[in-house]
Amino acid sequence: AQSVTQPDIHITVSEGASLELRCNYSYGATPYLFWYVQSPGQGLQLLLKYFSGDTLVQGIKGFEAEFKRSQSSFNLRKPSVHWSDAAEYFCAVGTQGGKLIFGQGTELSVKP
Amino acid sequence: GAVVSQHPSWVICKSGTSVKIECRSLDFQATTMFWYRQFPKQSLMLMATSNEGSKATYEQGVEKDKFLINHASLTLSTLTVTSAHPEDSSFYICSAADGTANTDTQYFGPGTRLTVL
Repeated sequence: AQSVTQPDIHITVSEGASLELRCNYSYGATPYLFWYVQSPGQGLQLLLKYFSGDTLVQGIKGFEAEFKRSQSSFNLRKPSVHWSDAAEYFCAVGTQGGKLIFGQGTELSVKP
Repeated sequence: GAVVSQHPSWVICKSGTSVKIECRSLDFQATTMFWYRQFPKQSLMLMATSNEGSKATYEQGVEKDKFLINHASLTLSTLTVTSAHPEDSSFYICSAADGTANTDTQYFGPGTRLTVL
């Protein structure tokens, strides 16, 4: 069955520290992968997406993600976290008909 | 570009009344629009997929007679929650895509907070 797993429900990092949010997927075909960010009470904003080609994808706000087919993973990274990065992060896989299957989300808190 | 708006941003209604939520793509034509429901601290649950000019496709377990979806134009989809009850209180989010391929990016609206008293 198609699914997306984000193992970490909540992560806290210090401002300026590096960040890695984990995402694992289960999908039979070539996965099309997305990372979205949601601020409290808001909709989702696309951070980056992977369709094909270079497995290291650059996104907005200094985020990047690496697709590793052997590990069925698409982890999101940022070298230096800012307080404004505190939000909920969702990993998703695109399926037939354009539907998205979302992971459970990871809440990021940033310590000053 | 790729802006999606929702109206209203929040609504409070009495039990038994109906509420309509609009979703508009402001700067592109949305072949497909999606409606999601999100409970506090949880992920998005896809409710239905709507294509312009055709009937919406509902996900399993979603009552199509309760959640009426209309996609009358390439820039507007509406979700009507009929005979709303307190358990329908939730955050409803729409998204729009300019195609139906699984590579198409969905652009999300800011969401509508529905509270049913």
